[in-house]
Amino acid sequence: GENVEQHPSTLSVQEGDSAVIKCTYSDSASNYFPWYKQELGKRPQLIIDIRSNVGEKKDQRIAVTLNKTAKHFSLHITETQPEDSAVYFCAATPYSSASKIIFGSGTRLSIRP
Amino acid sequence: DADVTQTPRNRITKTGKRIMLECSQTKGHDRMYWYRQDPGLGLRLIYYSFDVKDINKGEISDGYSVSRQAQAKFSLSLESAIPNQTALYFCATSRDPGTDTQYFGPGTRLTVL
Repeated sequence: GENVEQHPSTLSVQEGDSAVIKCTYSDSASNYFPWYKQELGKRPQLIIDIRSNVGEKKDQRIAVTLNKTAKHFSLHITETQPEDSAVYFCAATPYSSASKIIFGSGTRLSIRP
Repeated sequence: DADVTQTPRNRITKTGKRIMLECSQTKGHDRMYWYRQDPGLGLRLIYYSFDVKDINKGEISDGYSVSRQAQAKFSLSLESAIPNQTALYFCATSRDPGTDTQYFGPGTRLTVL
């Protein structure tokens, strides 16, 4: 089955700097890679996703890159702001009608003023 | 997301007690999930259901059972609660995890004394 590893577990960056969170997956059949953000005391919510036929996707200050050969994908946040402080989860799922999503262990991102 | 609700939001119980957590959704999604969140361990899948007649075990189903009473309702039961089941529990729904967003409920914080 799929296994997703996420690094680092905690990350602290200066406001305005960039943050990068990396994930690796084990199942080469995986083809959908979402990222969820969980603010303190809130539920996880999707912030961006990428599919295996795309190498990079951007949405304003956030971007996700995918390297299928190496089986890793990354979340990039530029010009970080205080509201970016949260726990971020990567996930992967192989496409099939019986598939289920597998989450990484999460990264706690803190933005220093 | 007000379309996925969970009751209760907080619960304190004693070892050996039976407890039920309930999830309701108005999104019309067939797929429903129960996750457990522990610090540093991310979101781990307990059970999932692709329709009313379909129930599947996740990676940590021992000590838990579920009931899918209708398309909109999915309940999680702890038959005899133990302290290491203290955690934050999330219900989620999706149309298809291979191509679609998972929508999480607000979570239930369960403490077993």
